[in-house]
This record gives sequence, structure tokens and C-alpha cells, in this order.
Amino acid sequence: DVKVTQSSRYLVKRTGEKVFLECVQDMDHENMFWYRQDPGLGLRLIYFSYDVKMKEKGDIPEGYSVSREKKERFSLILESASTNQTSMYLCASRFARQPQHFGDGTRLSIL
Amino acid sequence: RKEVEQDPGPFNVPEGATVAFNCTYSNSASQSFFWYRQDCRKEPKLLMSVYSSGNEDGRFTAQLNRASQYISLLIRDSKLSDSATYLCVVNTNQGAQKLVFGQGTRLTINP
Repeated sequence: DVKVTQSSRYLVKRTGEKVFLECVQDMDHENMFWYRQDPGLGLRLIYFSYDVKMKEKGDIPEGYSVSREKKERFSLILESASTNQTSMYLCASRFARQPQHFGDGTRLSIL
Repeated sequence: RKEVEQDPGPFNVPEGATVAFNCTYSNSASQSFFWYRQDCRKEPKLLMSVYSSGNEDGRFTAQLNRASQYISLLIRDSKLSDSATYLCVVNTNQGAQKLVFGQGTRLTINP
């Protein structure tokens, strides 16, 4: 079974802080993704990566950056957290055209 | 026009009923299709892939209509545990291995 692990289930941070969300997958998948999910807006893609050190912007990259130094780890960075970044963040990984597998999600609150 | 569109519902049906959802996609070159299930406050999980010839998994049947660009999900003999949000997911031909998620159809099975 594919295992995608996100570092925190719940996180509370303050406005202006730099926030790191970590994601690790154990299946050697080349593709990894970060989404946010908000009520009424569905899943929105922030960034994705198809290889180590490679990244591409998704639909809503503003205010975020990512890092993929190792194949198994994909980090999402909020450079200066703002209250409108309060959301559920979901990491996923995928091999080729196979289905995508999600982590448990991180509920992030920015105060 | 959205790349993937679903009726958000909610659908409220009695236990034992048959319920069907449709989902339309805009990119005729789309290659892979999936249905995911998401329970409240949980991550999306793969329900089933959708194959060109249609496929069945127990009480669940998925169909693909390339000419009309839609996929469908049929649930027979619905159970209380089928209550969830069902996400239609399409691998469009654009970009790397990016999946496009519909906003989901909310289903409640009533006793």
C-alpha cells in the first residue's frame, strides 16, 4: 500500500510567520502535489513536482513556494503566512498515469 | 467552462436505492478517469478507475462516454456507509501528470 505522510494533522501559526508543511511518500513516485481544499471551492492545485528539484506552478501558487530536494519528500512553504491561507492542505503522490494517493491532510490555522 | 463539472448536490436518497452521478469534462484528449470518495474532514480516497468499456466493482459501476465527454458512477443497493462526497477526476492532456478534480457531489443515504 502507498503511504503518503504529512508531518502535522493540525497546525496553528501567526500572521507573518514562515510555515513549512512536509510530505513524504514511500513508493518512489516521481510526481508529487500540494493542494488546498476550502468549502465550496473544492481541491485547488498549488504546486506540483515531477522529479527531484523540478517544480511547476499549479492554479494558485501565489504566496507559496515548494522544495523537492529528495524524491520522497515534497515541502510546501508559506513565505509569510496570512489569514486567507487558513485551509486544509493535502499532499499527494502519483506514479505515471496511475491514481493519485493522498496524505491525511494538515488543517492549518493562521491567526 | 470548467475542465471538470459535477452537480454538487446534495443528493439525499433512502437506503437501498440506486443513485447515479454524472460528470462532464471539457478536454476531448483526456486520457485517464477516476472516481474518488471523500468523507467529512478526511482525505480523498480512490473509489475506482474508469475504463473505456465500463467497469464494475461490487455495487459500483463506472461508465465512460467519450463522444459526449462524460463519466458516470452508479451505486446500487445504497448503504448508510456510502454517504460521502464523490469526486470526479480526469487526467487532461495538459502538463505533466496533473489530475483535475471536480468539486464533488455530496451524497447522503438516509435510513
